[in-house]
Amino acid sequence: AQSVTQLDSQVPVFEEAPVELRCNYSSSVSVYLFWYVQYPNQGLQLLLKYLSGSTLVKGINGFEAEFNKSQTSFHLRKPSVHISDTAEYFCAVSVVLGGAQKLVFGQGTRLTINP
Amino acid sequence: GAVVSQHPSWVICKSGTSVKIECRSLDFQATTMFWYRQFPKQSLMLMATSNEGSKATYEQGVEKDKFLINHASLTLSTLTVTSAHPEDSSFYICSANRGRDQPQHFGDGTRLSIL
Repeated sequence: AQSVTQLDSQVPVFEEAPVELRCNYSSSVSVYLFWYVQYPNQGLQLLLKYLSGSTLVKGINGFEAEFNKSQTSFHLRKPSVHISDTAEYFCAVSVVLGGAQKLVFGQGTRLTINP
Repeated sequence: GAVVSQHPSWVICKSGTSVKIECRSLDFQATTMFWYRQFPKQSLMLMATSNEGSKATYEQGVEKDKFLINHASLTLSTLTVTSAHPEDSSFYICSANRGRDQPQHFGDGTRLSIL
């Protein structure tokens, strides 16, 4: 079975500091990996995705993530955060089950940026 | 801009009422849409996969008679919470993707409060 583990439920960071949000997955088949961001009372917005090719993927808002197959990780990074980055971040793996694509989400990491 | 529209964004109603939530793909046809439920400070839980022209596929533990899904066209899926009770209060989010290997795009969610 596929699963996603986000190792940190909360990450407080000062503004302009770097941040890394950790994500590990388990799967017996090839997967697609995603990071989504959720602002309060809103749906999810896609930050970036890994489907194939280069293991370093760049997304919106200055975020990037690196797919590491040997460590089954897909950590999200940003070199300098802003107050506006305060939100909930979800890592997800996409798997095809019974002919349908499904997303399995991690538990989420609340990123809080302090001035 | 938004590619998936969800309506309404907020519903407050009395116990026993049935509530319909709409999910529309705005600039693409979606043969498959997804319905999620999110409890406060928790991750998204897939409730069901909505298939255009056929019955929805429900996840284990989700009551199909309580949560009726209709995917009548390639751009519209509806979720009806029948005879809603306070324990059905939650944040419901839909999503759709352009193709099986493409990322899911999410609506802004519907906050349902049953009094």
